[in-house]
Amino acid sequence: KQEVTQIPAALSVPEGENLVLNCSFTDSAIYNLQWFRQDPGKGLTSLLLIQSSQREQTSGRLNASLDKSSGRSTLYIAASQPGDSATYLCAVRGMKTSYDKVIFGPGTSLSVIP
Amino acid sequence: DGGITQSPKYLFRKEGQNVTLSCEQNLNHDAMYWYRQDPGQGLRLIYYSQIVNDFQKGDIAEGYSVSREKKESFPLTVTSAQKNPTAFYLCATAGGYEQYFGPGTRLTVT
Repeated sequence: KQEVTQIPAALSVPEGENLVLNCSFTDSAIYNLQWFRQDPGKGLTSLLLIQSSQREQTSGRLNASLDKSSGRSTLYIAASQPGDSATYLCAVRGMKTSYDKVIFGPGTSLSVIP
Repeated sequence: DGGITQSPKYLFRKEGQNVTLSCEQNLNHDAMYWYRQDPGQGLRLIYYSQIVNDFQKGDIAEGYSVSREKKESFPLTVTSAQKNPTAFYLCATAGGYEQYFGPGTRLTVT
């Protein structure tokens, strides 16, 4: 059974720092991995999608990497800003079931201090 | 304005009452999903639908029901059989294997 974990659960950094969020999954047979951002009381906003054949994806100050063999993904945020404060969730789509099942991690709550 | 709409944003009900949460999309996506989110936990799948008139149970379907009569709509009914219905409910669609989410409905049952 696929399990997804995220470390740390919470992170507080001063503005301007570079930071890394971690996502681990137990079953390497995934179709893709997606990183989301969630603001308090809001829905999820997709940040980056990495297909299983890819190693990384970049969008602006965000860079996500994927190492399927070790069951890990990282989300790198460069030059953090207070507006980056939110909860970040990773989700993996499996390949072993007959439907597109997506398993979510519990999230990392990020606070960027001005 | 394309996207996924969920209504209402906040919903309050008395214990023992059924309640229906709305989810509408104009993205022309075939797949639609309902998730439940509780504090400190990841999203858990309640029901999903790949095509009109077909849907499947997710991991926590007990106490919930859905219908998919139109491609654009996937309403979720929280029945009185659901033991802990208070939660944040999120509707999502999938296009090209990427998921898109609505703004969510916060349901409080007292």
